[in-house]
Amino acid sequence: GQQLNQSPQSMFIQEGEDVSMNCTSSSIFNTWLWYKQDPGEGPVLLIALYKAGELTSNGRLTAQFGITRKDSFLNISASIPSDVGIYFCAGFETSGSRLTFGEGTQLTVNP
Amino acid sequence: ETGVTQTPRHLVMGMTNKKSLKCEQHLGHNAMYWYKQSAKKPLELMFVYNFKEQTENNSVPSRFSPECPNSSHLFLHLHTLQPEDSALYLCASSQGLRRDTEAFFGQGTRLTVV
Repeated sequence: GQQLNQSPQSMFIQEGEDVSMNCTSSSIFNTWLWYKQDPGEGPVLLIALYKAGELTSNGRLTAQFGITRKDSFLNISASIPSDVGIYFCAGFETSGSRLTFGEGTQLTVNP
Repeated sequence: ETGVTQTPRHLVMGMTNKKSLKCEQHLGHNAMYWYKQSAKKPLELMFVYNFKEQTENNSVPSRFSPECPNSSHLFLHLHTLQPEDSALYLCASSQGLRRDTEAFFGQGTRLTVV
């Protein structure tokens, strides 16, 4: 089935730095979702995007639905230690009904 | 509080045991899902239910048996599992199967097969 390529796989940053991660696919997506997962917990929805070019913020998080509809970006500004976790992108293909997930970006923030 | 509750949070079972995982959603959603999350692997979709009807079985072995008695409850019955089935099992729900919908997850059940 369709796979999403999420990068980077892991990031080690200092507190206060900005973070960027992205997701790409070979097919067109209708919806992009970004989740965060803390250790031992289920993923929590951060941002949902529905239109090409859409830019949406949630506090220090900003995500964009790529204009080609084949990619999405998540930025975190001024990172703090509680930003640590795994960030997943997910999306619905135009031609499908299944929510597909990326492999995740493991974020570590050093105080 | 995510609106999707999974029990138990942790489960250790032997390969000859029979156990069940439970998921309950309080969001008024019509679709429910089971996902498997193994270390260093993407989330794997196992089953999808919409209005209590199974709409997708992603080639899951028969030792995993789902049950959806109503739109609010979803079970995963387990029997004769293998050690490689140890993983975090996540339940999710969404308003429907539309492409503009959002899925909300439970906290997961950490399953260890010994």
